[in-house]
Amino acid sequence: LAKTTQPISMDSYEGQEVNITCSHNNIATNDYITWYQQFPSQGPRFIIQGYKTKVTNEVASLFIPADRKSSTLSLPRVSLSDTAVYYCLVGSFSGNTPLVFGKGTRLSVIA
Amino acid sequence: EPEVTQTPSHQVTQMGQEVILRCVPISNHLYFYWYRQILGQKVEFLVSFYNNEISEKSEIFDDQFSVERPDGSNFTLKIRSTKLEDSAMYFCASSPLAANNEQFFGPGTRLTVL
Repeated sequence: LAKTTQPISMDSYEGQEVNITCSHNNIATNDYITWYQQFPSQGPRFIIQGYKTKVTNEVASLFIPADRKSSTLSLPRVSLSDTAVYYCLVGSFSGNTPLVFGKGTRLSVIA
Repeated sequence: EPEVTQTPSHQVTQMGQEVILRCVPISNHLYFYWYRQILGQKVEFLVSFYNNEISEKSEIFDDQFSVERPDGSNFTLKIRSTKLEDSAMYFCASSPLAANNEQFFGPGTRLTVL
């Protein structure tokens, strides 16, 4: 599993776009990049996954440069309810591969 | 939308007692997992389960832990003789038969060992 590095915490005001970058220098060819979100006292929740270029869904966008050594999770126009811990995971997960969580990035959204 | 459920939401027990944490995974999922999160720390993998047997387990999952799928819907984690350091949130997760990183987590059971 590739080691990941992401900021410990970030603050943002409501309505702003938030970009959280994750470094994964030793990503392997078969690895995917996945982001999870965890609200206080809840289980993690899958947000988005990508392999290269850009992926967008109703929650977020994921930008992956050509070398794939980093990725950026972009949350458009955050609200107070986006306050959570965001985890970047990198691996070639198959059906029953355990997820390995780091410490994540604690995002605090301020009114 | 289907979801993973867990019971109880909070369990308080005395050190040395046995506890069983219960989970109902999403009905058409085939892979099941237990994770735990000690307060303020990372989410840690305990065990994965597929086709009625353990697929993989971590170093944390020692002889005091066991898992079972007693019927077609429940998935349980038993801790035989609880220790103070077992106090944590325990999350059950499930995933469908697909090569995908998406696991669906339950709301967790907070275990407090006194």
